[in-house]
Amino acid sequence: DIQMTQSPPSVSASVGDRVTITCRASQGIHSYLAWFQQKPGRAPKTLIFGASILQSGVPSKFSGSGSGTEFTLTISTLQPEDSATYFCQQYNFYPLTFGGGTKLEIE
Amino acid sequence: EVQLVESGGDIIQPGGSLTLSCAASGFTFSNYAMGWVRQAPGKGLEWVSDISATGADTYYADSVKGRFIISRDNSKETLHLEMKSLRTDDTAIYYCARLVGEGYWGQGTLVTVSS
Repeated sequence: DIQMTQSPPSVSASVGDRVTITCRASQGIHSYLAWFQQKPGRAPKTLIFGASILQSGVPSKFSGSGSGTEFTLTISTLQPEDSATYFCQQYNFYPLTFGGGTKLEIE
Repeated sequence: EVQLVESGGDIIQPGGSLTLSCAASGFTFSNYAMGWVRQAPGKGLEWVSDISATGADTYYADSVKGRFIISRDNSKETLHLEMKSLRTDDTAIYYCARLVGEGYWGQGTLVTVSS
């Protein structure tokens, strides 16, 4: 199974800051990677697929990059509503696997 | 607008069975693989099962293989997850999801396995 290692597990930032979350795959997955945002008590929401393709309706403050084994999600100009847990997921191979999540807190 | 609406969650005793359903709308259901993802209380996301667009191919996490069966009815645009021999560690919110490419999630349905 492909292991998805996300870092950091948690991060605290201020309004207006930019943060970067990293996801590392245990083997190459080309660009078959998605990023999700989940707020407490809510279903996950897709932000990025294909490593860098912005889901329709998602603000351009979210961006993704990477291919192979190293991927990043960058969130710019942080606002209080960006406070959430972010997950990565590979869909190149079964079983599909998720990263452990990164909890983003906005100070 | 894409919508995925799950139903069927319940409180069930260990060893019991339950079937979840997901009604899809807003896209050509028969063109897409679909799946189920679960989230135990306070935990991360765990992929459970996927089914190909035609239903010919199914995939399962090791944790549910042999106990869960995924199926779909493209004429009714519905997805199902039949769960048997339920265990306490199957307790979770179960999400119906389209995960390959542009992704969409349902709101989830809670399955609680407890005596």
